[in-house]
Amino acid sequence: GQQLNQSPQSMFIQEGEDVSMNCTSSSIFNTWLWYKQDPGEGPVLLIALYKAGELTSNGRLTAQFGITRKDSFLNISASIPSDVGIYFCAGRRTNDYKLSFGAGTTVTVRA
Amino acid sequence: GAVVSQHPSRVICKSGTSVKIECRSLDFQATTMFWYRQFPKKSLMLMATSNEGSKATYEQGVEKDKFLINHASLTLSTLTVTSAHPEDSSFYICSARRTSGRAGGTDTQYFGPGTRLTVL
Repeated sequence: GQQLNQSPQSMFIQEGEDVSMNCTSSSIFNTWLWYKQDPGEGPVLLIALYKAGELTSNGRLTAQFGITRKDSFLNISASIPSDVGIYFCAGRRTNDYKLSFGAGTTVTVRA
Repeated sequence: GAVVSQHPSRVICKSGTSVKIECRSLDFQATTMFWYRQFPKKSLMLMATSNEGSKATYEQGVEKDKFLINHASLTLSTLTVTSAHPEDSSFYICSARRTSGRAGGTDTQYFGPGTRLTVL
């Protein structure tokens, strides 16, 4: 599928800090998904967004579906060591069952 | 969240042999499953879409005779790597599509834990 623009590519953060990453696209999407992948594992769904403007939280995670339907962001508050991993955004366009993926954001947390 | 399993989690085989990977949706029925390949430090690359009861749809550049897909039931899809060679070594991940079943409803993919294939 079409590649989404995900940034930053990587980040080193101090434990307790907040983290923010985002994805943009030139196309309109009707679904945005955020996944986390640990080494040697498959991606795990964190948050699913289905409506423009929707803001959804899952514990310390918050994600929003941009009102233009071309972007989404994910925030992690008060990071902890287990937040280490690669975070992928994924989007699905109307009438398309396939997902487009971002290149991933690698998060490393310093204790 | 929904649970998708994959088996085996890791396989090592000799060049020229065939390897079968199973993907199961454990708590929902999936008419559509997907097979991805992931290279180190890269994003997921869609290989093919597996449709229950019909032929799989392959992405451009993916050899359908090399990567055989069978989706015989609503909870099981298999990927067979035929006559595997070292360049087929990779991390293969499946996903299962879960929908709310109504127009404009939710449509989400849940991933399996992946299979690490090493071809010697």
